[in-house]
Amino acid sequence: NAGVTQTPKFQVLKTGQSMTLQCAQDMNHNSMYWYRQDPGMGLRLIYYSASEGTTDKGEVPNGYNVSRLNKREFSLRLESAAPSQTSVYFCASSTRHNYGYTFGSGTRLTVV
Amino acid sequence: AQRVTQPEKLLSVFKGAPVELKCNYSYSGSPELFWYVQYSRQRLQLLLRHISRESIKGFTADLNKGETSFHLKKPFAQEEDSAMYYCALRSGAQKLVFGQGTRLTINP
Repeated sequence: NAGVTQTPKFQVLKTGQSMTLQCAQDMNHNSMYWYRQDPGMGLRLIYYSASEGTTDKGEVPNGYNVSRLNKREFSLRLESAAPSQTSVYFCASSTRHNYGYTFGSGTRLTVV
Repeated sequence: AQRVTQPEKLLSVFKGAPVELKCNYSYSGSPELFWYVQYSRQRLQLLLRHISRESIKGFTADLNKGETSFHLKKPFAQEEDSAMYYCALRSGAQKLVFGQGTRLTINP
């Protein structure tokens, strides 16, 4: 029972490089989310997808794009990485009627 | 705007002592509040929801609408309670707004 799977777990990028963070869930959840976690800032919502085929901006969307590829997968793309995007990124999912989230294990991204 | 405030970044108590992690919120509607916990090298997991009025691992949290608070309490702390704790508020479309987090350390 995998739950929410994120890849990669660690990544180092140079400023200006691009990359995609992958997230997949096997719980048939409708909603998926991307958060970033920074010391003293808690978790801040980057983008979310309330259901397959829809995506919406969260609190800190600048510099990111997302794709809800199907019900299972929700990817986060950094087109031109900046040092300010150094963070731990968490993907999460939830059902429509249960507002508890299931989180992935996180991706630790460093931009140098 | 919806906001969750956890005033303590760090909290340290001795084993067996009572623990209270503070959480205050601002929300114009009827709030739905949660506590999440992240143990060392583990993923974030749901600890409890106010709507369930449950006790998990000895923790309880009562929603106080008058004081707009949802403090997490445990009468006798255990070493395995050391973790990062996040208070969260449901903010429409199933989105959660998280507080800044409190790192709880239980000293032996």
